[in-house]
Amino acid sequence: GNSVTQMEGPVTLSEEAFLTINCTYTATGYPSLFWYVQYPGEGLQLLLKATKADDKGSNKGFEATYRKETTSFHLEKGSVQVSDSAVYFCALIGGGSTLGRLYFGRGTQLTVWP
Amino acid sequence: SQTIHQWPATLVQPVGSPLSLECTVEGTSNPNLYWYRQAAGRGLQLLFYSVGIGQISSEVPQNLSASRPQDRQFILSSKKLLLSDSGFYLCAWSTQGLQFFGPGTRLTVL
Repeated sequence: GNSVTQMEGPVTLSEEAFLTINCTYTATGYPSLFWYVQYPGEGLQLLLKATKADDKGSNKGFEATYRKETTSFHLEKGSVQVSDSAVYFCALIGGGSTLGRLYFGRGTQLTVWP
Repeated sequence: SQTIHQWPATLVQPVGSPLSLECTVEGTSNPNLYWYRQAAGRGLQLLFYSVGIGQISSEVPQNLSASRPQDRQFILSSKKLLLSDSGFYLCAWSTQGLQFFGPGTRLTVL
């Protein structure tokens, strides 16, 4: 079946620190992988995506590389800002899915202090 | 461009009362639609999805139901709310392998 496991939070960092949020997955076929971000009190926004092995998704300084050999899609940012404080969700859509159903990790709360 | 609306934004309801949350999508036709719930401190749980008018699939047995009376309208309902129904309810639609979320409804059951 399809599932996503991401590192437990919360994660607390100082501004300009390096961020890594680990995400691993189990999936049938060749899934598409996503990171969503949820700012306080808001819905989810797509942050970045990768649809095949070795693809790197990037947006707003965040990056994640689709690693098929390790079934991972870790989120990284070289220098976080206070405005990056949010909950981050790793997710996948199973390969060959016509429904487009997303499978989410439990989310990781990130807090960045000035 | 496509937009997705949810209302109300927040709702406080007593236990045993009915519920109706509405979601509408603009700028697209025949979208796949989804209802998720996010309980406090937990991840997202898919509740229902719909691939067309009148077509509803339930993921988790519960006292909630969903309906899709129009192509771009998705409604989440309950006849009698439970305390455990409290949470943040998100509607989403998908196209070409991407899923887009509405702003959510914060439901508190007292």
